[in-house]
Amino acid sequence: GENVEQHPSTLSVQEGDSAVIKCTYSDSASNYFPWYKQELGKRPQLIIDIRSNVGEKKDQRIAVTLNKTAKHFSLHITETQPEDSAVYFCAASPRRKLIFGAGTRLAVHP
Amino acid sequence: DTEVTQTPKHLVMGMTNKKSLKCEQHMGHRAMYWYKQKAKKPPELMFVYSYEKLSINESVPSRFSPECPNSSLLNLHLHALQPEDSALYLCASSQREDYGYTFGSGTRLTVV
Repeated sequence: GENVEQHPSTLSVQEGDSAVIKCTYSDSASNYFPWYKQELGKRPQLIIDIRSNVGEKKDQRIAVTLNKTAKHFSLHITETQPEDSAVYFCAASPRRKLIFGAGTRLAVHP
Repeated sequence: DTEVTQTPKHLVMGMTNKKSLKCEQHMGHRAMYWYKQKAKKPPELMFVYSYEKLSINESVPSRFSPECPNSSLLNLHLHALQPEDSALYLCASSQREDYGYTFGSGTRLTVV
């Protein structure tokens, strides 16, 4: 079936440290993998995405890696800042749907 | 315009009421979606419209009825809801069914 697992569920780091969130997906038909940041009471906002024909993508402090063989992908945030604190969702897109992971609550402490 | 606009932002309705949620986008996206999000949970897909036709219904109860009057508008008609239907209802649109989703701010629905 279609399933996306996300770890860890909570992550606490000091300002300036790196944060890594990992996801695995079950449906090999998935070909698009976005990451969303959701602050309390707000909409999910796309922060970075990657397609299945690319192994890595970077945008300033944020990078995503994809291992299609192992069916896992990861979000890397470097030089974390307090404003990075939010819930982060990974997602996979099999068969015209977007399936979300359970989310990671990231807390960045000054 | 790069936004998805949802109205109303908040809605309180009784279990016998009929109400509608509205969603609008002017980005030329041909796929539109309804998601339901409970507190501290990820968004769950409800419906997918592609080129104004319903393409996916994730076994949603019939008390939720979607409608796509045109390529820019998506409605969700609500009737005889239960308190457990209280949630944030998010609309999204995308360039294609597998790429480039943009979410609206949502309607926070409370059923009393």
